Amino acid sequence: DAKTTQPTSMDCAEGRAANLPCNHSTISGNEYVYWYRQIHSQGPQYIIHGLKNNETNEMASLIITEDRKSSTLILPHATLRDTAVYYCIVLYDDMRFGAGTRLTVKP
Amino acid sequence: DTAVSQTPKYLVTQMGNDKSIKCEQNLGHDTMYWYKQDSKKFLKIMFSYNNKELIINETVPNRFSPKSPDKAHLNLHINSLELGDSAVYFCASSQALTAYNSPLHFGNGTRLTVT
Repeated sequence: DAKTTQPTSMDCAEGRAANLPCNHSTISGNEYVYWYRQIHSQGPQYIIHGLKNNETNEMASLIITEDRKSSTLILPHATLRDTAVYYCIVLYDDMRFGAGTRLTVKP
Repeated sequence: DTAVSQTPKYLVTQMGNDKSIKCEQNLGHDTMYWYKQDSKKFLKIMFSYNNKELIINETVPNRFSPKSPDKAHLNLHINSLELGDSAVYFCASSQALTAYNSPLHFGNGTRLTVT
């Protein structure tokens, strides 16, 4: 089983920031937090990953709490094309995906 | 250029047949994987190959066999297909296995339908 807990679904208004939470209370010291998304039936797409520092790239920002037990993926200006299932993964050597969060961006 | 490409995109076949799905990556990665996504949309790892060696073999039926002719290719052979094999199969690659700082790159999937 995946070591992460995510809400089943979330809605976000177009143009607003989407904040997707993930709990990973049993994360170990050398495990990274990874985020992927899957749009419709396409292959999962890598978004971002981090160890303990906050990270930002052209797609999103990743905020990891100081105790590393939870993180938040931030899409700063959500568009309709960001509607997808978002997966948070930390048990990386097992490479298991959980159920993810279905994000729906609404006009 | 597509980083991870798999063929065919769709595969419809009858029970009992043998089929193959091909995967190629042009990223220079050392490790390749096969995932299965069932009707409930859960992604489950099936195999991974690192430098032509099978590293992970989850509890999949031995009717499924991965074959890697070189580092850039990992094909999936399925013998005696069953109805329950119907799913979307994704190929993926990464720079290194269990290198925690190594993202996965996925292909766009092969939708297998067994009738």
